[in-house]
Amino acid sequence: DQQVKQNSPSLSVQEGRISILNCDYTNSMFDYFLWYKKYPAEGPTFLISISSIKDKNEDGRFTVFLNKSAKHLSLHIVPSQPGDSAVYFCAASASRSNTGKLIFGQGTTLQVKP
Amino acid sequence: DTAVSQTPKYLVTQMGNDKSIKCEQNLGHDTMYWYKQDSKKFLKIMFSYNNKELIINETVPNRFSPKSPDKAHLNLHINSLELGDSAVYFCASSLTIGTSGAYEQYFGPGTRLTVT
Repeated sequence: DQQVKQNSPSLSVQEGRISILNCDYTNSMFDYFLWYKKYPAEGPTFLISISSIKDKNEDGRFTVFLNKSAKHLSLHIVPSQPGDSAVYFCAASASRSNTGKLIFGQGTTLQVKP
Repeated sequence: DTAVSQTPKYLVTQMGNDKSIKCEQNLGHDTMYWYKQDSKKFLKIMFSYNNKELIINETVPNRFSPKSPDKAHLNLHINSLELGDSAVYFCASSLTIGTSGAYEQYFGPGTRLTVT
């Protein structure tokens, strides 16, 4: 039972253009969402997060949008840079559980071409 | 100045052996986690400790036993290793659950375990 889904295994964009990575979830108890970036042979690195009380959070080139009614979130990277090429994981948590447990999607591999 | 470190980075061993993976964090966090990333690349939580107390224990075979000697360390011991245990194991840490930013978990570089 996959509660967090990233339906696109891979995405390729040109340098300077926008990258949009999508994530869907099924559990309505989730109220905190995060994006992680992972390079090969390294651990995931926290990128940006959003609480369910917001619908947008921005940090530099990275913006996360949350659509609670659709149970959908997306990560926008603009402008995309070759160094952004990595695997991006979406994760969700239910604060009511009070455990910090994160449920991860299966990841989307982003390739930014120079 | 490594934040979350794991040893070893690679571990190759035979079925039936017992092995341990160590994790240490110097971030001052008091919650630590173990995740398993399988061949399909899913990252799944296995265990979590808060101040040396077990708070998450997912459906994991009891051959896996975490041990937290202090809040900066969380080790994973695996008995009677099986082929299906081959995976990358990640350690992570975070602030106390319930505090601001507690969901931002910081990961170690991973330990690639290969069971032959």
